[in-house]
Amino acid sequence: GQQLNQSPQSMFIQEGEDVSMNCTSSSIFNTWLWYKQEPGEGPVLLIALYKAGELTSNGRLTAQFGITRKDSFLNISASIPSDVGIYFCAGQEISSGSARQLTFGSGTQLTVLP
Amino acid sequence: SQTIHQWPATLVQPVGSPLSLECTVEGTSNPNLYWYRQAAGRGLQLLFYSVGIGQISSEVPQNLSASRPQDRQFILSSKKLLLSDSGFYLCAWSVARYKNIQYFGAGTRLSVL
Repeated sequence: GQQLNQSPQSMFIQEGEDVSMNCTSSSIFNTWLWYKQEPGEGPVLLIALYKAGELTSNGRLTAQFGITRKDSFLNISASIPSDVGIYFCAGQEISSGSARQLTFGSGTQLTVLP
Repeated sequence: SQTIHQWPATLVQPVGSPLSLECTVEGTSNPNLYWYRQAAGRGLQLLFYSVGIGQISSEVPQNLSASRPQDRQFILSSKKLLLSDSGFYLCAWSVARYKNIQYFGAGTRLSVL
């Protein structure tokens, strides 16, 4: 089945640094989503992207829908301790049917060091 | 506003015992509903999804089953739990008017001993 390659798997950064992570797929997506999951909680939607080339911000977070429609990246600027968590990308294929199934990346574990 | 509830939050069950996890959505009608399992804090595996009452699609063969007895209720069940059923179970919903973005519940941590 469809897979998303998300990288890096984990990151250890100093507070105040910028962070970048990305996802690539082998097929075209019409929607890219970025979620954050904190320990013991469900993923929470951060940013949704619907058009190739779209660049969207949510506070210190910025995400882009790749021009080829096969990739997306998420940037976090000036990281703070509460940014710690697992970040997931998710994509939705045009052919995903009425249930609009999502394909998830394997996640990026972010650790912010004081 | 829409909310999703999952319970229980944690569950410890012996091998061979039955399972019932419940998920309900408030504030919307005719949602798509999903059950995922997450192992070791990574990788969401879609188990079941439903586009309507009584309509269940299974993504992977397994020891679990799902039912949707009401429009906004989704239940995950097992007759006899296996050790390998341990994990973090997440319910999610989506509707077309919100561009079918999936919104997740807080999850149930299941430990089978």
